Amino acid sequence: IAGITQAPTSQILAAGRRMTLRCTQDMRHNAMYWYRQDLGLGLRLIHYSNTAGTTGKGEVPDGYSVSRANTDDFPLTLASAVPSQTSVYFCASSEEGGADTQYFGPGTRLTVL
Amino acid sequence: GQNIDQPTEMTATEGAIVQINCTYQTSGFNGLFWYQQHAGEAPTFLSYNVLDGLEEKGRFSSFLSRSKGYSYLLLKELQMKDSASYLCAPLDSNYQLIWGAGTKLIIKP
Repeated sequence: IAGITQAPTSQILAAGRRMTLRCTQDMRHNAMYWYRQDLGLGLRLIHYSNTAGTTGKGEVPDGYSVSRANTDDFPLTLASAVPSQTSVYFCASSEEGGADTQYFGPGTRLTVL
Repeated sequence: GQNIDQPTEMTATEGAIVQINCTYQTSGFNGLFWYQQHAGEAPTFLSYNVLDGLEEKGRFSSFLSRSKGYSYLLLKELQMKDSASYLCAPLDSNYQLIWGAGTKLIIKP
């Protein structure tokens, strides 16, 4: 693989269920990010990680959790999904944090019913 | 608060030139990115400006005026494949990208 992969591509989920969105990059980038994109709104940062072993909260972290056990993987977990979490989720990475360019995965379209 | 303003939608003709404007207010400033996003796809990087002035990269150019909180993306010799949304994203004092809702550009033959 080259770049960033996300799984699943799309998912329909019942409210209250737990769900983990997967993100893997093979560029050895230190920084990784999770965004959600909703119609008419800009991308909003959910959580980020500047390096393996560390994570931070973004603009809209409530209802989501992340972990960064190694450089390549950055899963996003919805502990108990709610309909307002229906969105397109993008994972991104950059070589370091700061002003480095962010590169995006193809996205996961999540519908919570 | 932090705010990004871009037109919601613009229409242009194949072969023409179009300028997409972006005004921003952020807590601190560490440069500004432009991304392109085709429908149903991921955003892809176009340009990054940190100093005032024009940066040219092939058919695309990006301009920044830090004192005015203003940037624009200039697309020349428009092609049908340029139909996409263009996202303006300044970097704030915490090096966090603040994303505009994007400008949907429609190219007509």
